[in-house]
Amino acid sequence: GIQVEQSPPDLILQEGANSTLRCNFSDSVNNLQWFHQNPWGQLINLFYIPSGTKQNGRLSATTVATERYSLLYISSSQTTDSGVYFCAGRRTGNQFYFGTGTSLTVIP
Amino acid sequence: DTAVSQTPKYLVTQMGNDKSIKCEQNLGHDTMYWYKQDSKKFLKIMFSYNNKELIINETVPNRFSPKSPDKAHLNLHINSLELGDSAVYFCASSQAGAEAFFGQGTRLTVV
Repeated sequence: GIQVEQSPPDLILQEGANSTLRCNFSDSVNNLQWFHQNPWGQLINLFYIPSGTKQNGRLSATTVATERYSLLYISSSQTTDSGVYFCAGRRTGNQFYFGTGTSLTVIP
Repeated sequence: DTAVSQTPKYLVTQMGNDKSIKCEQNLGHDTMYWYKQDSKKFLKIMFSYNNKELIINETVPNRFSPKSPDKAHLNLHINSLELGDSAVYFCASSQAGAEAFFGQGTRLTVV
């Protein structure tokens, strides 16, 4: 299977700060997604981003498929951004491989 | 309208019991999945299923079995529950390898 490494594993931010989360894949993937698991345990889709850059409000993501990594940018962080951020990739077949997550805490 | 819904949200049961978790998607997707999230938050595939193929993760005990009555449903049956089965189970769906959507999860506690 594909190994997915996320960094940093834990992150504490002051409200209003910016951050970058990284996801590295051991092999090339065709599809890539970023999720936010909120404190209630729900997995919320953030981006479906096999390549290129996308933006959604204060969040943006960039995937460089040829170099097997993806970045998630969070700007002007808010306490509601707290939770665990996962990336997941799929090469062939149906299975998504998940990273180990970045646990983000935003303090007021 | 919930895209992927699971029931129940919480399930507490005794060791040795048999239980089922239901999953339904209204997105018209062709593939459904079950994932297990352990206490360290790691998400691991258990099954993926479309109308042509069931792919089973070889590490999943055969006490776990998926049942799909139709394209929109993939239920998870668990026999002879063990303490180590306690986890959060997520159902998901996607269309032909595109974006996947997850249910709200079922927290299973075996006592």
